[in-house]
Amino acid sequence: DAKTTQPPSMDCAEGRAANLPCNHSTISGNEYVYWYRQIHSQGPQYIIHGLKNNETNEMASLIITEDRKSSTLILPHATLRDTAVYYCIVRVPIFHGGATNKLIFGTGTLLAVQP
Amino acid sequence: ETGVTQSPTHLIKTRGQQVTLRCSSQSGHNTVSWYQQALGQGPQFIFQYYREEENGRGNFPPRFSGLQFPNYSSELNVNALELDDSALYLCASSLMLWGNRRSEQYFGPGTRLTVT
Repeated sequence: DAKTTQPPSMDCAEGRAANLPCNHSTISGNEYVYWYRQIHSQGPQYIIHGLKNNETNEMASLIITEDRKSSTLILPHATLRDTAVYYCIVRVPIFHGGATNKLIFGTGTLLAVQP
Repeated sequence: ETGVTQSPTHLIKTRGQQVTLRCSSQSGHNTVSWYQQALGQGPQFIFQYYREEENGRGNFPPRFSGLQFPNYSSELNVNALELDDSALYLCASSLMLWGNRRSEQYFGPGTRLTVT
């Protein structure tokens, strides 16, 4: 019951910006978009999240379209260590109207940063 | 490093056996969620524990059960192991505050379970 679709793989040249797209056309108004990455079967690493405004932190920027049906994760200067599977995730309540929530992962995008 | 630890790192079990996996949450976190990640797939939510009680469950049968202890560490137990239970099991800790405020989930390195 994944709520996001992502391209299975992308390449990026080292030092260039990596732009990873994600579609979440069925997202509900109170559901957040999260991005995590996973390097070779390690635990997923939190990157950034947002609801409807664009967000930026020390790792990346998140651009969410005004209709919230898609978003883009931007790594401004990709390095070889950024090679990983990037997951675009919708955080949903476990119970309708409840405070507890779960992350629904899709299959992610394998980003390969090339030297 | 997230401060979330899991043990063991990997283990091999036989079909029909039982297994217990352990997770220590990040300092200050009070909620633990467990996920199953099959090879080539994204993690799938199993359940969440808060205040030592199960706080929500995904589409997993009752033979998947858990515990949370007063120090917020947690265990995942799987009975009657099946071949399809072979996967990376991840725990994630977070902080749930009053008024629906919560932190992000931080994942441990996982336990690789192989069922033969």
